[in-house]
Amino acid sequence: DTEVTQTPKHLVMGMTNKKSLKCEQHMGHRAMYWYKQKAKKPPELMFVYSYEKLSINESVPSRFSPECPNSSLLNLHLHALQPEDSALYLCASSQDPTVLAGVETQYFGPGTRLLVL
Amino acid sequence: QQQVKQSPQSLIVQKGGIPIINCAYENTAFDYFPWYQQFPGKGPALLIAIRPDVSEKKEGRFTISFNKSAKQFSLHIMDSQPGDSATYFCAATILRSSASKIIFGSGTRLSIRP
Repeated sequence: DTEVTQTPKHLVMGMTNKKSLKCEQHMGHRAMYWYKQKAKKPPELMFVYSYEKLSINESVPSRFSPECPNSSLLNLHLHALQPEDSALYLCASSQDPTVLAGVETQYFGPGTRLLVL
Repeated sequence: QQQVKQSPQSLIVQKGGIPIINCAYENTAFDYFPWYQQFPGKGPALLIAIRPDVSEKKEGRFTISFNKSAKQFSLHIMDSQPGDSATYFCAATILRSSASKIIFGSGTRLSIRP
């Protein structure tokens, strides 16, 4: 199973709402990632969790709050977002590079299309 | 500098033609170089990847050519089909202690005409 699942597929929220995005993988990967992708642009890294601990925060505003409850799940909590935060939010996972045998890289989920009104 | 420059921005090729997408990088610390394919409304999917000590890698109709001395690499799609129409991102990956960091190129929107 090489699948990363994300829910919901679409989300519309107001600037005062609180919502959460969810991501799940069952590949035994120990690194999980959140990316933001605007139209016609490459994905931009937001957060990296490694062994359930936050290892990279790419200076993301505090209105985005990640959480990794266990090795298979990754959440992104959203609060007081701005219209410019509307984008495709992608989750990805990867094996621990220190145990890589080949050129394995990150596997992406289908994304959550977020619209902030 | 952690940048990957990709060209062209868009490309139109007739069915059966061989589209070529080029990328260049500056940082010699990258560990390997993947290509991702993304269809509208979907997440990027790993297409093929190469280590910097290899000059060419083929997987089906997709070939990566890698020139370490020039710090350039390219994707060739043989016998292209309309179903190959998608956005292609080249990338360079840095392996950190227990995770990887991908630096993406700007993307190429490929259209294969029937």
